[in-house]
Amino acid sequence: AQTVTQSQPEMSVQEAETVTLSCTYDTSESDYYLFWYKQPPSRQMILVIRQEAYKQQNATENRFSVNFQKAAKSFSLKISDSQLGDAAMYFCAYRWGPSGNTPLVFGKGTRLSVIA
Amino acid sequence: DSGVTQTPKHLITATGQRVTLRCSPRSGDLSVYWYQQSLDQGLQFLIQYYNGEERAKGNILERFSAQQFPDLHSELNLSSLELGDSALYFCASSPPSGTSGGDYNEQFFGPGTRLTVL
Repeated sequence: AQTVTQSQPEMSVQEAETVTLSCTYDTSESDYYLFWYKQPPSRQMILVIRQEAYKQQNATENRFSVNFQKAAKSFSLKISDSQLGDAAMYFCAYRWGPSGNTPLVFGKGTRLSVIA
Repeated sequence: DSGVTQTPKHLITATGQRVTLRCSPRSGDLSVYWYQQSLDQGLQFLIQYYNGEERAKGNILERFSAQQFPDLHSELNLSSLELGDSALYFCASSPPSGTSGGDYNEQFFGPGTRLTVL
């Protein structure tokens, strides 16, 4: 079975600094997708960034970027120029298969605090 | 706003009772997923429907059941409720296979239903 592990239950970062959240996963599939979701206090699940396993280039979305190491099954999220609004729970998630119609497997999350 | 709606937003009930949670997917999405998020935990997949048919099952208890109706909305039924069933229940939807554009591999989450069992 596929599993997703986030080894940092809590992290903190100073405003304007950079922080990296770790995620590892276990799968025997070759075709899959990886995601980072943000869950602010409102509890809404917000997609931050996604990575297709077949793409070697790391995904970026503005201040958010990933370091995807397929052989090591590692998928870390880097947040640059951290802002107070980045404070939230961050979940790493995995989905197998080429289509969008498979369930997500989530890690337990990392709670990020941003210090002013 | 993701386009996925869930009702009710909050539900408070007693042990032993039965409740129904409702989800309407985004227009055009055929897949509906149900996830459970217990206190300070990650999301656990419960069940998936695709165009009215059960597609995948996760860690769903026998006391729980779901269905997807012809208009594609879905209901999650929770019965013989226990204190441990208190959680946030999310519904998500995704577009059908072959959808062009960037949405095809994304799941869109509703705002969730917070269930409290007393």
